Amino acid sequence: AQSVSQHNHHVILSEAASLELGCNYSYGGTVNLFWYVQYPGQHLQLLLKYFSGDPLVKGIKGFEAEFIKSKFSFNLRKPSVQWSDTAEYFCAVTPSGNTGKLIFGQGTTLQVKP
Amino acid sequence: DTGVSQDPRHKITKRGQNVTFRCDPISEHNRLYWYRQTLGQGPEFLTYFQNEAQLEKSRLLSDRFSAERPKGSFSTLEIQRTEQGDSAMYLCASSPDRNQPQHFGDGTRLSIL
Repeated sequence: AQSVSQHNHHVILSEAASLELGCNYSYGGTVNLFWYVQYPGQHLQLLLKYFSGDPLVKGIKGFEAEFIKSKFSFNLRKPSVQWSDTAEYFCAVTPSGNTGKLIFGQGTTLQVKP
Repeated sequence: DTGVSQDPRHKITKRGQNVTFRCDPISEHNRLYWYRQTLGQGPEFLTYFQNEAQLEKSRLLSDRFSAERPKGSFSTLEIQRTEQGDSAMYLCASSPDRNQPQHFGDGTRLSIL
């Protein structure tokens, strides 16, 4: 079955630390890849997406992600986190050719200490 | 862009009762999705509409669940004879086509007493 795995459930960092959140998916075909963020009390918002082209994707608020096809991975990175990055982060996949439904990972809660 | 709107934000009901949620997608988004999210998990796909046609339903969507999108605009999700296990956040999302990201609403939190 198609699935998405996020390596860390809960990450605690100090401000200015670097961030990398792991995401792996199990699907052999072409996929579209997403990272969504949910700030406390808010709805899910798109951070960045990969459909095709350059595997290094830049999103909002200084986030980026790298698609490594051979590893079925799409890890999220940020060089220097801020307190305002405290949120829950979800990796999601849409296999090409289907209805566009998103298959989500279980999420990673990021807590940034000021 | 007024965003995806969901109503109500919270619903508390007794086990066995029927509940109905509403989703108003972003105007002119012909794709509409329902997801369910439980504590500590990512959202799980429930069903998908393209305009008024319901084109896919998850195995998670038991016979007690029904969704409609009668005029291809707003959608309703009804749960009949609610059970404890139905307690969750129900999310609605819309997009203009499959190559555009989905925009999510704030969700309806259902609590079954």
